[in-house]
Amino acid sequence: KNEVEQSPQNLTAQEGEFITINCSYSVGISALHWLQQHPGGGIVSLFMLSSGKKKHGRLIATINIQEKHSSLHITASHPRDSAVYICAAFTGNQFYFGTGTSLTVIP
Amino acid sequence: KAGVTQTPRYLIKTRGQQVTLSCSPISGHRSVSWYQQTPGQGLQFLFEYFSETQRNKGNFPGRFSGRQFSNSRSEMNVSTLELGDSALYLCASSLARLWNTGELFFGEGSRLTVL
Repeated sequence: KNEVEQSPQNLTAQEGEFITINCSYSVGISALHWLQQHPGGGIVSLFMLSSGKKKHGRLIATINIQEKHSSLHITASHPRDSAVYICAAFTGNQFYFGTGTSLTVIP
Repeated sequence: KAGVTQTPRYLIKTRGQQVTLSCSPISGHRSVSWYQQTPGQGLQFLFEYFSETQRNKGNFPGRFSGRQFSNSRSEMNVSTLELGDSALYLCASSLARLWNTGELFFGEGSRLTVL
């Protein structure tokens, strides 16, 4: 059993659509990270959450500690949002990663 | 401000050899963490170094080791290479320890192929 589960695995959206990626985890965490990986490998850190909600531009991340669940939302999606989004649970001394959600936004 | 620099970017080794990868963090960052990414296992945490000491370690065998120098640059070493060690090795730097940091800055990675 994976400590971090993401859904969906693959997602195709039309430009402008609202997108939600879900992450559930089974370990106790001190923080939950959302990462973005573009083709070629480069990874960008999007959010670190320990509670509540954070917003950066068109991206919103939420976390429910009691339910051990986090969501990443993209409003008004754009083709440049096409990437793999990875959820990572940090326990305080160990990272557990989801398998990623591959997002393709079609113009 | 320069980003995280990893060298070499690509390398090919044969089974049984050893390899050393280097990571130079962003100036002022004191934590360097290492990750392995493979198509089968995805991203996995290797270890974290802070102030020249290993602070956290993932579930990897002792063949995987690392160190950090006084200027915060870090190296990781894999000895007795196996085919399964073929992967993209990423490092990330942060201002503070992993448990107390808001953002990780990743390098472009070192792609290791073991033949």
